[in-house]
Amino acid sequence: DGGITQSPKYLFRKEGQNVTLSCEQNLNHDAMYWYRQDPGQGLRLIYYSQIVNDFQKGDIAEGYSVSREKKESFPLTVTSAQKNPTAFYLCASSIVAGGPSGEQFFGPGTRLTVL
Amino acid sequence: QKEVEQDPGPLSVPEGAIVSLNCTYSNSAFQYFMWYRQYSRKGPELLMYTYSSGNKEDGRFTAQVDKSSKYISLFIRDSQPSDSATYLCAMYRAKTSYDKVIFGPGTSLSVIP
Repeated sequence: DGGITQSPKYLFRKEGQNVTLSCEQNLNHDAMYWYRQDPGQGLRLIYYSQIVNDFQKGDIAEGYSVSREKKESFPLTVTSAQKNPTAFYLCASSIVAGGPSGEQFFGPGTRLTVL
Repeated sequence: QKEVEQDPGPLSVPEGAIVSLNCTYSNSAFQYFMWYRQYSRKGPELLMYTYSSGNKEDGRFTAQVDKSSKYISLFIRDSQPSDSATYLCAMYRAKTSYDKVIFGPGTSLSVIP
């Protein structure tokens, strides 16, 4: 089955720790995205990548970092510099960035809680 | 003013009702319009996708775009309890490879049996 997987589903972190959220896709999509979702707010873009070894900051990149060493993988690291990291994190992919439709396909999400 | 506005609800309707979900937007350059459905604690799934103005129907769902009013709607006929979810509108300009999809905050819908 083609799709996007995210792990873990739930993650707990102590203050001051860095954590890495995994995102893998087997859809052969070029573009991948990370969003953060908080109650009552729309999806906010953290980082996106249009191609391997390239990525751009989204609207709320501070305190986060990413890498794109393989087409199918786009891990997100939440660093200790992120002031309010407790949220639901969603990874998405699309065939190409800036493509004709913009349709994005989402993973199941990771809920991060800072203790 | 936010680029995309959506009434957060919650919206509660009886089973079988017709549901109308709406979004307004400010950027007249948007060309592609999408509706996503998100069940609790899950990722959003693409429900409907339309280009420019007009209607698109898929089973019990109809998406409507009125670009002159900067207003989009999703209608659900014969609503079912399984339609209970949060519905996110999304839109996209598609002029450059750096254009981003802009999501509304979502409307929470409950369909009561």
